[in-house]
Amino acid sequence: EAGVTQFPSHSVIEKGQTVTLRCDPISGHDNLYWYRRVMGKEIKFLLHFVKESKQDESGMPNNRFLAERTGGTYSTLKVQPAELEDSGVYFCASSQDIAGVLYEQFFGPGTRLTVL
Amino acid sequence: DQQVKQNSPSLSVQEGRISILNCDYTNSMFDYFLWYKKYPAEGPTFLISISSIKDKNEDGRFTVFLNKSAKHLSLHIVPSQPGDSAVYFCAAYNNAGNMLTFGGGTRLMVKP
Repeated sequence: EAGVTQFPSHSVIEKGQTVTLRCDPISGHDNLYWYRRVMGKEIKFLLHFVKESKQDESGMPNNRFLAERTGGTYSTLKVQPAELEDSGVYFCASSQDIAGVLYEQFFGPGTRLTVL
Repeated sequence: DQQVKQNSPSLSVQEGRISILNCDYTNSMFDYFLWYKKYPAEGPTFLISISSIKDKNEDGRFTVFLNKSAKHLSLHIVPSQPGDSAVYFCAAYNNAGNMLTFGGGTRLMVKP
Protein backbone atom coordinates (compact mmCIF):
# COMPACT_ATOMS: atom_id res chain seq x y z
CA GLU A 1 0.00 0.00 0.00
CA ALA A 2 1.41 3.37 -1.00
CA GLY A 3 2.00 5.88 1.77
CA VAL A 4 1.30 9.59 1.79
CA THR A 5 3.14 11.28 -1.06
CA GLN A 6 4.01 14.93 -1.47
CA PHE A 7 5.24 16.94 -4.43
CA PRO A 8 7.63 18.61 -4.84
CA SER A 9 10.17 17.49 -2.28
CA HIS A 10 11.91 20.86 -2.47
CA SER A 11 10.90 24.25 -3.78
CA VAL A 12 12.97 27.41 -3.90
CA ILE A 13 11.15 30.57 -4.91
CA GLU A 14 11.56 34.29 -4.58
CA LYS A 15 9.52 36.48 -2.31
CA GLY A 16 6.30 37.48 -4.01
CA GLN A 17 6.05 34.39 -6.19
CA THR A 18 3.40 31.69 -5.97
CA VAL A 19 3.98 28.07 -5.01
CA THR A 20 1.57 25.14 -4.96
CA LEU A 21 2.26 22.06 -2.89
CA ARG A 22 0.47 18.79 -3.52
CA CYS A 23 -0.41 15.92 -1.22
CA ASP A 24 -1.78 12.52 -2.13
CA PRO A 25 -3.12 10.75 0.98
CA ILE A 26 -3.33 7.03 1.54
CA SER A 27 -6.17 5.62 -0.52
CA GLY A 28 -9.39 5.45 1.47
CA HIS A 29 -8.32 7.96 4.11
CA ASP A 30 -11.02 10.59 4.46
CA ASN A 31 -8.99 12.77 6.83
CA LEU A 32 -6.20 14.89 5.43
CA TYR A 33 -4.08 17.31 7.45
CA TRP A 34 -1.49 19.94 6.63
CA TYR A 35 1.24 20.78 9.14
CA ARG A 36 4.30 23.02 8.96
CA ARG A 37 7.67 23.01 10.71
CA VAL A 38 9.49 26.31 10.67
CA MET A 39 13.16 26.83 11.60
CA GLY A 40 13.49 23.40 13.20
CA LYS A 41 10.85 24.20 15.78
CA GLU A 42 7.68 22.33 16.62
CA ILE A 43 5.42 20.93 13.91
CA LYS A 44 2.32 23.12 13.80
CA PHE A 45 -1.13 22.24 12.57
CA LEU A 46 -2.46 24.22 9.62
CA LEU A 47 -5.76 22.63 8.64
CA HIS A 48 -7.84 19.48 8.46
CA PHE A 49 -10.05 18.15 5.66
CA VAL A 50 -12.71 15.50 5.99
CA LYS A 51 -13.20 14.36 2.44
CA GLU A 52 -13.53 17.61 0.47
CA SER A 53 -14.71 19.75 3.40
CA LYS A 54 -12.51 21.90 5.57
CA GLN A 55 -13.14 20.66 9.11
CA ASP A 56 -10.73 22.99 10.86
CA GLU A 57 -8.53 25.69 9.38
CA SER A 58 -7.65 27.43 12.62
CA GLY A 59 -3.92 26.98 12.05
CA MET A 60 -3.73 28.73 8.69
CA PRO A 61 -1.41 31.72 9.23
CA ASN A 62 -3.16 34.21 6.94
CA ASN A 63 -5.12 34.60 3.73
CA ARG A 64 -2.04 34.12 1.58
CA PHE A 65 -2.52 30.40 2.15
CA LEU A 66 -5.25 28.53 0.28
CA ALA A 67 -5.89 24.81 0.66
CA GLU A 68 -8.19 22.77 -1.51
CA ARG A 69 -9.21 19.14 -1.75
CA THR A 70 -11.45 18.88 -4.76
CA GLY A 71 -13.22 15.52 -4.99
CA GLY A 72 -11.93 14.50 -1.62
CA THR A 73 -8.76 12.85 -2.95
CA TYR A 74 -5.53 14.79 -3.27
CA SER A 75 -5.03 18.22 -1.74
CA THR A 76 -3.14 21.33 -2.76
CA LEU A 77 -1.76 24.11 -0.60
CA LYS A 78 -1.07 27.35 -2.42
CA VAL A 79 0.96 30.20 -1.02
CA GLN A 80 0.42 33.46 -2.86
CA PRO A 81 2.37 35.70 -2.60
CA ALA A 82 5.10 33.92 -0.67
CA GLU A 83 6.96 35.75 2.10
CA LEU A 84 10.31 34.98 3.72
CA GLU A 85 8.65 33.67 6.90
CA ASP A 86 6.80 31.02 4.90
CA SER A 87 10.03 29.03 4.57
CA GLY A 88 9.87 25.67 6.29
CA VAL A 89 8.88 22.06 5.80
CA TYR A 90 5.24 21.43 4.97
CA PHE A 91 3.95 18.02 5.98
CA CYS A 92 0.76 16.35 4.90
CA ALA A 93 -0.82 13.53 6.89
CA SER A 94 -3.85 11.33 6.46
CA SER A 95 -5.87 9.05 8.69
CA GLN A 96 -8.96 6.93 8.85
CA ASP A 97 -11.75 7.96 11.16
CA ILE A 98 -14.18 5.27 12.15
CA ALA A 99 -16.84 6.12 14.70
CA GLY A 100 -14.77 8.98 16.01
CA VAL A 101 -11.96 6.78 17.20
CA LEU A 102 -8.47 8.19 16.96
CA TYR A 103 -6.46 6.53 14.29
CA GLU A 104 -2.81 7.02 13.59
CA GLN A 105 -1.94 9.93 11.33
CA PHE A 106 0.43 8.84 8.57
CA PHE A 107 2.79 11.55 7.44
CA GLY A 108 4.29 12.23 4.05
CA PRO A 109 7.99 13.08 3.61
CA GLY A 110 7.27 16.81 3.48
CA THR A 111 7.98 19.60 1.04
CA ARG A 112 10.86 21.87 1.97
CA LEU A 113 9.96 25.40 0.89
CA THR A 114 12.63 28.08 0.76
CA VAL A 115 11.58 31.66 0.04
CA LEU A 116 14.47 33.95 -0.91
CA ASP B 1 1.80 29.69 23.71
CA GLN B 2 3.29 26.23 23.34
CA GLN B 3 1.02 23.59 24.89
CA VAL B 4 3.48 20.71 24.45
CA LYS B 5 7.13 21.19 25.30
CA GLN B 6 10.24 19.09 24.97
CA ASN B 7 12.88 20.93 26.94
CA SER B 8 15.85 18.85 25.84
CA PRO B 9 16.78 19.58 22.23
CA SER B 10 19.25 16.70 22.17
CA LEU B 11 20.26 13.55 24.04
CA SER B 12 23.27 11.30 23.59
CA VAL B 13 23.22 7.72 24.89
CA GLN B 14 25.54 4.72 24.63
CA GLU B 15 24.27 1.68 22.75
CA GLY B 16 22.60 -0.81 25.09
CA ARG B 17 21.74 1.78 27.73
CA ILE B 18 18.38 3.37 28.43
CA SER B 19 17.20 6.48 26.60
CA ILE B 20 14.67 8.65 28.41
CA LEU B 21 12.94 11.40 26.47
CA ASN B 22 10.73 13.84 28.33
CA CYS B 23 7.69 15.91 27.43
CA ASP B 24 5.55 18.37 29.38
CA TYR B 25 2.12 19.69 28.50
CA THR B 26 -0.17 22.39 29.81
CA ASN B 27 -3.62 21.47 28.48
CA SER B 28 -5.38 19.01 30.78
CA MET B 29 -8.01 18.34 28.08
CA PHE B 30 -5.72 16.21 25.91
CA ASP B 31 -7.10 12.68 25.45
CA TYR B 32 -4.11 10.89 23.96
CA PHE B 33 -0.39 11.37 23.83
CA LEU B 34 1.80 10.03 21.07
CA TRP B 35 5.45 9.73 20.22
CA TYR B 36 6.63 10.10 16.65
CA LYS B 37 10.07 9.34 15.31
CA LYS B 38 11.58 11.26 12.42
CA TYR B 39 14.59 10.49 10.26
CA PRO B 40 16.15 13.20 8.05
CA ALA B 41 14.23 13.89 4.82
CA GLU B 42 11.35 11.72 5.97
CA GLY B 43 8.03 12.47 7.60
CA PRO B 44 7.34 11.61 11.25
CA THR B 45 6.34 8.00 11.85
CA PHE B 46 4.14 6.86 14.70
CA LEU B 47 5.93 5.02 17.47
CA ILE B 48 3.69 4.55 20.49
CA SER B 49 0.70 6.19 22.17
CA ILE B 50 -1.01 6.33 25.53
CA SER B 51 -4.54 7.23 26.55
CA SER B 52 -4.95 9.91 29.18
CA ILE B 53 -6.66 7.36 31.44
CA LYS B 54 -3.60 5.11 31.56
CA ASP B 55 -0.21 5.66 33.16
CA LYS B 56 1.90 3.23 31.17
CA ASN B 57 2.00 1.61 27.77
CA GLU B 58 4.66 -0.77 26.60
CA ASP B 59 5.56 -1.99 23.12
CA GLY B 60 8.74 -4.00 22.84
CA ARG B 61 11.71 -1.82 23.68
CA PHE B 62 9.52 1.27 23.97
CA THR B 63 7.54 2.30 27.05
CA VAL B 64 5.64 5.52 27.55
CA PHE B 65 4.82 6.73 31.05
CA LEU B 66 2.18 9.36 31.80
CA ASN B 67 2.00 11.39 35.01
CA LYS B 68 -1.22 13.39 34.72
CA SER B 69 -0.83 15.25 37.99
CA ALA B 70 2.54 16.57 36.81
CA LYS B 71 1.37 16.94 33.18
CA HIS B 72 4.46 15.02 32.15
CA LEU B 73 5.17 12.05 29.96
CA SER B 74 8.32 10.20 29.07
CA LEU B 75 9.47 7.70 26.50
CA HIS B 76 11.88 4.99 27.60
CA ILE B 77 13.87 3.02 25.05
CA VAL B 78 15.63 -0.04 26.42
CA PRO B 79 18.07 -1.15 25.17
CA SER B 80 18.96 1.74 22.88
CA GLN B 81 20.29 0.86 19.44
CA PRO B 82 22.18 3.01 16.89
CA GLY B 83 19.17 2.74 14.56
CA ASP B 84 17.12 4.59 17.17
CA SER B 85 19.08 7.75 16.39
CA ALA B 86 16.46 10.20 15.12
CA VAL B 87 14.39 13.18 16.22
CA TYR B 88 11.57 12.20 18.56
CA PHE B 89 8.43 14.31 18.74
CA CYS B 90 5.94 14.22 21.55
CA ALA B 91 2.40 14.99 20.41
CA ALA B 92 -0.98 15.37 22.05
CA TYR B 93 -4.45 14.83 20.71
CA ASN B 94 -7.84 16.13 21.73
CA ASN B 95 -10.93 14.23 20.58
CA ALA B 96 -12.74 17.52 20.07
CA GLY B 97 -10.05 19.00 17.90
CA ASN B 98 -8.70 16.09 15.82
CA MET B 99 -5.34 17.73 15.19
CA LEU B 100 -2.02 16.81 16.76
CA THR B 101 -0.18 19.35 18.90
CA PHE B 102 3.55 18.71 18.74
CA GLY B 103 6.51 19.52 20.92
CA GLY B 104 9.71 20.88 19.43
CA GLY B 105 11.43 17.51 19.23
CA THR B 106 14.47 15.89 20.87
CA ARG B 107 17.36 14.65 18.75
CA LEU B 108 18.52 11.28 20.09
CA MET B 109 21.99 10.04 19.22
CA VAL B 110 22.82 6.47 20.17
CA LYS B 111 26.56 5.84 20.02
CA PRO B 112 27.89 2.38 19.19
